Amino acid sequence: DQQVKQNSPSLSVQEGRISILNCDYTNSMFDYFLWYKKYPAEGPTFLISISSIKDKNEDGRFTVFLNKSAKHLSLHIVPSQPGDSAVYFCAANFGNEKLTFGTGTRLTIIP
Amino acid sequence: GAVVSQHPSWVICKSGTSVKIECRSLDFQATTMFWYRQFPKQSLMLMATSNEGSKATYEQGVEKDKFLINHASLTLSTLTVTSAHPEDSSFYICSACGLWSYNEQFFGPGTRLTVL
Repeated sequence: DQQVKQNSPSLSVQEGRISILNCDYTNSMFDYFLWYKKYPAEGPTFLISISSIKDKNEDGRFTVFLNKSAKHLSLHIVPSQPGDSAVYFCAANFGNEKLTFGTGTRLTIIP
Repeated sequence: GAVVSQHPSWVICKSGTSVKIECRSLDFQATTMFWYRQFPKQSLMLMATSNEGSKATYEQGVEKDKFLINHASLTLSTLTVTSAHPEDSSFYICSACGLWSYNEQFFGPGTRLTVL
């Protein structure tokens, strides 16, 4: 049972435009959400997180939005840069429980 | 930021041999370390959670006798793949978190295991 889903396996965006990566979850107990970026043959790198008490968190070019009623979160990257090309994983947990990862979305930024 | 290293970064071994992968937290004490496995084009699958000084907790379907985990200190956890077979070939990644935050795990660079 995939509790965290990223329905788009891939996404291509023109450099300078906005990249929007989506993530849906089914477990209403989740109260903390994270986005990780991963290059091939490397470990994931933490990008940004959001607690369920918020609906938005911003850090530079990265903004995460959380819609609890829809059990949906999204990561916005603006403006997109070639170095943003990577696989992005969303993850969720509650309390001190383990992280549950989504299946990932491969983002390609077109110069 | 918190740094986690893994060694080796890649390893090729013959079927039937055992391989040990080390995961170290370099600048913080990791009370909990996690071991993940990633197949090509798939998500990270948690294999086990280890806490310093206690036995690891394995996820359903992960053979604890095959994947031995030791978390001997607050900065080191090891994963030993015993009697490795070609189907064990994968990308193994560890992560660690400290006392200040269980939510934010810091990942190692991963180890590519190829079993011939």
